[in-house]
Amino acid sequence: AQKVTQAQTEISVVEKEDVTLDCVYETRDTTYYLFWYKQPPSGELVFLIRRNSFDEQNEISGRYSWNFQKSTSSFNFTITASQVVDSAVYFCALSTSGTYKYIFGTGTRLKVLA
Amino acid sequence: DAGVIQSPRHEVTEMGQEVTLRCKPISGHNSLFWYRQTMMRGLELLIYFNNNVPIDDSGMPEDRFSAKMPNASFSTLKIQPSEPRDSAVYFCASSLLAGTLSSYNEQFFGPGTRLTVL
Repeated sequence: AQKVTQAQTEISVVEKEDVTLDCVYETRDTTYYLFWYKQPPSGELVFLIRRNSFDEQNEISGRYSWNFQKSTSSFNFTITASQVVDSAVYFCALSTSGTYKYIFGTGTRLKVLA
Repeated sequence: DAGVIQSPRHEVTEMGQEVTLRCKPISGHNSLFWYRQTMMRGLELLIYFNNNVPIDDSGMPEDRFSAKMPNASFSTLKIQPSEPRDSAVYFCASSLLAGTLSSYNEQFFGPGTRLTVL
């Protein structure tokens, strides 16, 4: 069975703090893809990153970084020096080879307080 | 480049009325997805089109829901008759997939239509 778990329902931090959003996935497939999306208060879903199962290199994009560890089936997302504009719901998703379907986690609501 | 366009952004209707939601995918994308988002059930895939052909409609709740994609640049999701439990945010997403079952490329979502059925 395939599953994505985002155990943190809601996180509150003060501006400029670093914050890590956890994502744990389950799949028996050896080829799969992981995604992170951001849903700000305005409601749209914004694509942030795609990672395939053969590429375990961590990625950094500005204040955002992603840590992919196959050994623990995790694909965690860290925001450095958080800002109020980072306040949103963040979704992790899994897709396996041979299917177009995304399996979404339940999302983590991040509140960044000024 | 324009992203996925959805209309209307908000729709309020009364139970029993027909509702039509519209979507224009990103130009050049060959796959289109309709999702529904509710607090209780999260994001649910309703239907998936590849090259304008419906591939999987197993997520469509019941016969009251129908979707069409007459050409590569337009799709509709219709609910007839609407019921209060259909109230949700409906998203359209598009992607450029290598094949019918490809999962390689990311999906780009539209802004959503917030539907309220009274």
